[in-house]
Amino acid sequence: EVHLLESGGGLVQPGGSLRISCAASGFTFGNYAMNWVRQGPGKGPEWVSLINSSGGRTNYADSVKGRFTISRDNSKNTLYLQMNDLRAEDTAVYYCAIPSSGYFDSWGQGTLVIVSS
Amino acid sequence: AIQLTQSPSSLSASVGDRVTITCRASHGISNALAWYQQKPGKAPKVFIYDASILEHGVPSRFTGSGSGTDFTLTISSLRPEDFASYYCQQYNSYPSVTFGQGTRVEMK
Repeated sequence: EVHLLESGGGLVQPGGSLRISCAASGFTFGNYAMNWVRQGPGKGPEWVSLINSSGGRTNYADSVKGRFTISRDNSKNTLYLQMNDLRAEDTAVYYCAIPSSGYFDSWGQGTLVIVSS
Repeated sequence: AIQLTQSPSSLSASVGDRVTITCRASHGISNALAWYQQKPGKAPKVFIYDASILEHGVPSRFTGSGSGTDFTLTISSLRPEDFASYYCQQYNSYPSVTFGQGTRVEMK
């Protein structure tokens, strides 16, 4: 059974940095592209970033380009999101998700990031 | 970016009611549309993909239809477990996918 477990969320001041993680199990992690999707309070989900299976290709939403970096360690079955220069509008629950032809058929439980002074 | 507009943003209904939610895309997306159900404190769960294909295990009272720019999610007879929020998502422009703003189905 696929299991995704995010961690590392918390309260951070505007302009600060945070790295969140997603530990994967129940499938061959290194064979799958992975995504981060976030959901702000009372809002619909928003795609954030994609990394391909090897880690050699990444894509970002315009709203985070230049501030966030996605990476993965296939030896540890773990996905990361390094978030720099955080803004209030980055406040959200961050999910890791596995894509299936473009939609997401497996999600973690999410980790909450709050950007506030 | 392709924008998705859902309507209504919320609705009140009773058990047994027929419920219809619409999703309109700003550009044609063929049939690259998914529908998710989300309950409070939980991650979204895909119910329908490719506009009309039910994910394994989803009850047959859920149906999806549409192509191009106009899509519909219908629940033929609402059950208590169906009270939740529903989101559409387009993946025609993958990886730059977008979601609708959601429809909250509440108990009347």
